[in-house]
Amino acid sequence: KAGVTQTPRYLIKTRGQQVTLSCSPISGHRSVSWYQQTPGQGLQFLFEYFSETQRNKGNFPGRFSGRQFSNSRSEMNVSTLELGDSALYLCASSSSGGEHNEQFFGPGTRLTVL
Amino acid sequence: KNQVEQSPQSLIILEGKNCTLQCNYTVSPFSNLRWYKQDTGRGPVSLTIMTFSENTKSNGRYTATLDADTKQSSLHITASQLSDSASYICVVSANDSGGSQGNLIFGKGTKLSVKP
Repeated sequence: KAGVTQTPRYLIKTRGQQVTLSCSPISGHRSVSWYQQTPGQGLQFLFEYFSETQRNKGNFPGRFSGRQFSNSRSEMNVSTLELGDSALYLCASSSSGGEHNEQFFGPGTRLTVL
Repeated sequence: KNQVEQSPQSLIILEGKNCTLQCNYTVSPFSNLRWYKQDTGRGPVSLTIMTFSENTKSNGRYTATLDADTKQSSLHITASQLSDSASYICVVSANDSGGSQGNLIFGKGTKLSVKP
């Protein structure tokens, strides 16, 4: 089975721009979660999608949004980029999304905002 | 407030030696505790998942313990190898009948360096 894939792997943007990141979950997985990882804060939960619906949302501003398609692929969008948005963005998939369900992480997208 | 604290922040050991990483949590109600290994520039990979009733779980040279009474967990690595150099992240799941992954509380990780 192919693992979780994320595109692009690296991205450089300037302040004020917007960016869209993509995540393809493991085949058959319906839950996709997104995380922001920075050296100072560790992994922070952004949101989770399950069957095209946002099931939970972390404490991030509205500039961060996402969606999930019928094939479970998910996209994350960040508008009006700020320097502090520079981070590794990880997505993780699980089959049903229950708290006992193991998550499988993708390799991440490294976003640099200049 | 739900929190997960890991110690030490970083650790350097010689190849072949053992080490133990600590995780203390204040998460309620508790559902499960996970340890992940994250190589530099890669996504985290699950090592173990333990529920309330489990107090030890092994995955090769990795052994995790859980004391639900004191809310402490440890990850013991035996006979370390150079490939063990990575960040180790402790994650605690708060009980959520809705089944969401949004109740995962992440520690900031312990960075382990194994030197030859």
